[in-house]
Amino acid sequence: SAVISQKPSRDICQRGTSLTIQCQVDSQVTMMFWYRQQPGQSLTLIATANQGSEATYESGFVIDKFPISRPNLTFSTLTVSNMSPEDSSIYLCSVGNRGNTGELFFGEGSRLTVL
Amino acid sequence: AQRVTQPEKLLSVFKGAPVELKCNYSYSGSPELFWYVQYSRQRLQLLLRHISRESIKGFTADLNKGETSFHLKKPFAQEEDSAMYYCALMRYNTDKLIFGTGTRLQVFP
Repeated sequence: SAVISQKPSRDICQRGTSLTIQCQVDSQVTMMFWYRQQPGQSLTLIATANQGSEATYESGFVIDKFPISRPNLTFSTLTVSNMSPEDSSIYLCSVGNRGNTGELFFGEGSRLTVL
Repeated sequence: AQRVTQPEKLLSVFKGAPVELKCNYSYSGSPELFWYVQYSRQRLQLLLRHISRESIKGFTADLNKGETSFHLKKPFAQEEDSAMYYCALMRYNTDKLIFGTGTRLQVFP
């Protein structure tokens, strides 16, 4: 298993600002993902954070809006840029190891409210 | 298109009653399916996966390719089963999970 710490756990932000969410894992992992869970909706994959290279984004998500860093195998950040109220959501970091039959471990999430 | 559908947002039962949480999927390849659970104030965690054919906390789920379903079942619900349940599909060889919208299970005493 892996223990994941996310910061901040929650924040209230002003429209037009940016916020960076950090994800720290207690062990080296192959796969790191960022999900979004909008109110009343399911988890939607934003991107795969790739160590040492650019993240791989899912359809509907772009690097300019959600820049991601992953400098090593235990840490990643997601920035939500130029926020609008539609970005109010829970952002979740999840990790797994390739070939580990699909079991992902999740952080507690970062709840963002944009005013 | 790859999709996971959970038709019920809320399922309420009394303790000791049978439970079935429905999940249907659409996927062109061979699916790998999972059930994740989130208890109150806890993080999302894996409950079971279809390839393991296991029973966890009394829950089982059988993959029915003909009906493209992966329903979660338990013969006798307990109060501690109250939680949010998500069905998920893994894209082949990617470790990426596609989640359904979730079903909240409430078990009353």
